[in-house]
Amino acid sequence: DTAVSQTPKYLVTQMGNDKSIKCEQNLGHDTMYWYKQDSKKFLKIMFSYNNKELIINETVPNRFSPKSPDKAHLNLHINSLELGDSAVYFCASSRLAGGTEETQYFGPGTRLLVL
Amino acid sequence: AQKITQTQPGMFVQEKEAVTLDCTYDTSDQSYGLFWYKQPSSGEMIFLIYQGSYDEQNATEGRYSLNFQKARKSANLVISASQLGDSAMYFCAMAPFRSGYSTLTFGKGTMLLVSP
Repeated sequence: DTAVSQTPKYLVTQMGNDKSIKCEQNLGHDTMYWYKQDSKKFLKIMFSYNNKELIINETVPNRFSPKSPDKAHLNLHINSLELGDSAVYFCASSRLAGGTEETQYFGPGTRLLVL
Repeated sequence: AQKITQTQPGMFVQEKEAVTLDCTYDTSDQSYGLFWYKQPSSGEMIFLIYQGSYDEQNATEGRYSLNFQKARKSANLVISASQLGDSAMYFCAMAPFRSGYSTLTFGKGTMLLVSP
């Protein structure tokens, strides 16, 4: 009955590889997000999707591409991984943007280590 | 642009005591939401409490309360009767209402350690 789930939990890979992180929410939310938490614990939004449409795209290298097959899923694909991509990536979801008290609920995080 | 400042990198408190974690923010928006999240050592982000900028009363959720002082642009988290399980990183965040609260900006966090 996990609300927001991510797979994998840990991901260790070599520089230059391509990898994907999957996210699913069963809360019936319309908006999903990807955040990156760096080694100093700083959290920054990367992308936001509302009902399968991209609504926020912060300054993120175009090696990162989000894909939303339906409103319950938001996957993150990363091409040509670099050492600086090592971080914890969090998926989150909230109700339809535009309402009040739209709390974002986070997944457990995916710890990516690029060697 | 929004900015969140958490000036306390770390705080220590004894079990059963109350503790206040500071958060100040800067925004030109008139309508916004303020949020606190907890991140234990296991890594997940747990939502604790929300305060809307137009809410006249301070938000409370169990042992958590938010001391909201709009004129000072502060939104301090108060944890009453600390428990060992409260040891974690705490993040203050805000989002403007015009974005549907979708653009959360986080502070750098405060590490809270609760001792027996």
